[in-house]
Amino acid sequence: AQSVTQLGSHVSVSEGALVLLRCNYSSSVPPYLFWYVQYPNQGLQLLLKYTSAATLVKGINGFEAEFKKSETSFHLTKPSAHMSDAAEYFCAVSEGSSIQGAQKLVFGQGTRLTINP
Amino acid sequence: EAGVAQSPRYKIIEKRQSVAFWCNPISGHATLYWYQQILGQGPKLLIQFQNNGVVDDSQLPKDRFSAERLKGVDSTLKIQPAKLEDSAVYLCASSPLRDRGLFFGEGSRLTVL
Repeated sequence: AQSVTQLGSHVSVSEGALVLLRCNYSSSVPPYLFWYVQYPNQGLQLLLKYTSAATLVKGINGFEAEFKKSETSFHLTKPSAHMSDAAEYFCAVSEGSSIQGAQKLVFGQGTRLTINP
Repeated sequence: EAGVAQSPRYKIIEKRQSVAFWCNPISGHATLYWYQQILGQGPKLLIQFQNNGVVDDSQLPKDRFSAERLKGVDSTLKIQPAKLEDSAVYLCASSPLRDRGLFFGEGSRLTVL
């Protein structure tokens, strides 16, 4: 079964500093990978997704992630943190085939990002 | 485009009582999911529908949880009887066929006392 591990349940950075949230996956087939963000008392919002095209994926709000097959990683980065980036971030891997449309996402435990002024 | 709608947003019940959550997916989305998110954890899939058929319910505690998706549109998730450990946010998500990525509602927060 596919799984996701997010390294670090809490990450704290200063405003303007680099944001790096780590995600490693386990999959026996080429994976599809996602990053979601969750603000307090809200649902999950898709930041970006990797679907076997370009290995460097750009998402919303200035975030990007790079798929590295050799490292089984899909780390999320942002060059300069903003106070509004404070939230919970989830990495997820897709199981199932998109041909049948029966995709299923398996989520990591999440990383809480705190931005210090 | 309207997003995934869920209700109620918040519910407080006592253990052994019953509760039901409703979800209206994005129009035209064939696949609907219910996830359970316990505080401090990532979402866990409870059940997945494609149109009005169940694709995966392997992690649904069937002795107390049930879900249906009538006519392939709206869905209802029911818990009866509730236990303390059912306190969580229940997230509904939908996805169009042959796409990757789920669209989530704001969730229904359940507190069992």
